[in-house]
Amino acid sequence: DQQVKQNSPSLSVQEGRISILNCDYTNSMFDYFLWYKKYPAEGPTFLISISSIKDKNEDGRFTVFLNKSAKHLSLHIVPSQPGDSAVYFCAASVQKSSGDKLTFGTGTRLAVRP
Amino acid sequence: DAGVIQSPRHEVTEMGQEVTLRCKPISGHNSLFWYRQTMMRGLELLIYFNNNVPIDDSGMPEDRFSAKMPNASFSTLKIQPSEPRDSAVYFCASNPGREIPEAFFGQGTRLTVV
Repeated sequence: DQQVKQNSPSLSVQEGRISILNCDYTNSMFDYFLWYKKYPAEGPTFLISISSIKDKNEDGRFTVFLNKSAKHLSLHIVPSQPGDSAVYFCAASVQKSSGDKLTFGTGTRLAVRP
Repeated sequence: DAGVIQSPRHEVTEMGQEVTLRCKPISGHNSLFWYRQTMMRGLELLIYFNNNVPIDDSGMPEDRFSAKMPNASFSTLKIQPSEPRDSAVYFCASNPGREIPEAFFGQGTRLTVV
């Protein structure tokens, strides 16, 4: 049972254009959402997050949007750069005191063409 | 801080052999997670510890897998006996707690069972 779903395994965009990566979740208890970026032969690194009390969080070229009614979030990268080419994982958690385990999606491979 | 340290980076072993993966979390972090990355399932949580105590091991595939955290600075994931379908990249991650959901990942161990 995949509670966090990334239905697009890959995405290709032109340098300078917008990249939009999508993520859907099924567990309504999730209250914190994160995006991780992963380069080959490296571990995932945290990129940006959003709490369920917000619907948008922006950090430089990266913006995450949350639509709770649709159980959907998206990551926008604008403008896209070749260095953004990586696998992006969406993750969700239910915040509680005994550790915050993250449930991940299957990832979307982004390729930014020069 | 050197970050989360995993060893070995690569492991090739024969079916039926015992495999031990090692992890040193970031100093001061209260939670430790073991994830496995596969193409089909993305990043799946195997087990996580909080203050050295196993909290949720529901992701451990079967009894061949076991994990320990004897102290705050060391954890092991053991597979005995190993099978070809265990081939994957295994990641260790740690989290500082204190309501900070972001987990910090090691570089992973690529396991190949032949």
